[in-house]
Amino acid sequence: AQRVTQPEKLLSVFKGAPVELKCNYSYSGSPELFWYVQYSRQRLQLLLRHISRESIKGFTADLNKGETSFHLKKPFAQEEDSAMYYCALRGEYNAGNMLTFGGGTRLMVKP
Amino acid sequence: AAGVIQSPRHLIKEKRETATLKCYPIPRHDTVYWYQQGPGQDPQFLISFYEKMQSDKGSIPDRFSAQQFSDYHSELNMSSLELGDSALYFCASSSPYLGTSETYEQYFGPGTRLTVT
Repeated sequence: AQRVTQPEKLLSVFKGAPVELKCNYSYSGSPELFWYVQYSRQRLQLLLRHISRESIKGFTADLNKGETSFHLKKPFAQEEDSAMYYCALRGEYNAGNMLTFGGGTRLMVKP
Repeated sequence: AAGVIQSPRHLIKEKRETATLKCYPIPRHDTVYWYQQGPGQDPQFLISFYEKMQSDKGSIPDRFSAQQFSDYHSELNMSSLELGDSALYFCASSSPYLGTSETYEQYFGPGTRLTVT
């Protein structure tokens, strides 16, 4: 069974501080990992996918297969980063391409 | 660019009533997914359709059914509603044929907030 864990429900930092949102997963094969962001009253939006190795809005995430982690990082948080962040996994054997989400972390960036 | 459309955006029903939620995928997307997000919870996968056939099934109650139509829109039918069905229902769509890094990427709709009283 596949499982995604985000241990922090809430992360509060000051503007300009570094941010790390933790994500750990459980999957026996080679998963695809994603970070989705949900701003207040808006839809879920894809922020990052591990296969593309890109940096979006200053955020990066590296898949660590040894630690089964896909932590999201940003060196200097901005107030507009305040949102709900979900880590998600898609297993390689999913014929239906379904996503398994973690519990989400609410990031609050204070001025 | 066109996004995933869901209707209605808000719905209030009483216990034991029925509800129908609609999802209109992005043009040329042939796969639709339904997720349920309870208050303070993460989205849970319910069911998905590819080319009008059910492709995967998650934690969808037997009281719920869904289908995808010839124009690729999908409807989630919910009967004998219970208080616990109150949630935000997301629809997402994707396509396996884009030939880019966006292949299979799921684009989410704004959700339908269902309140059962």
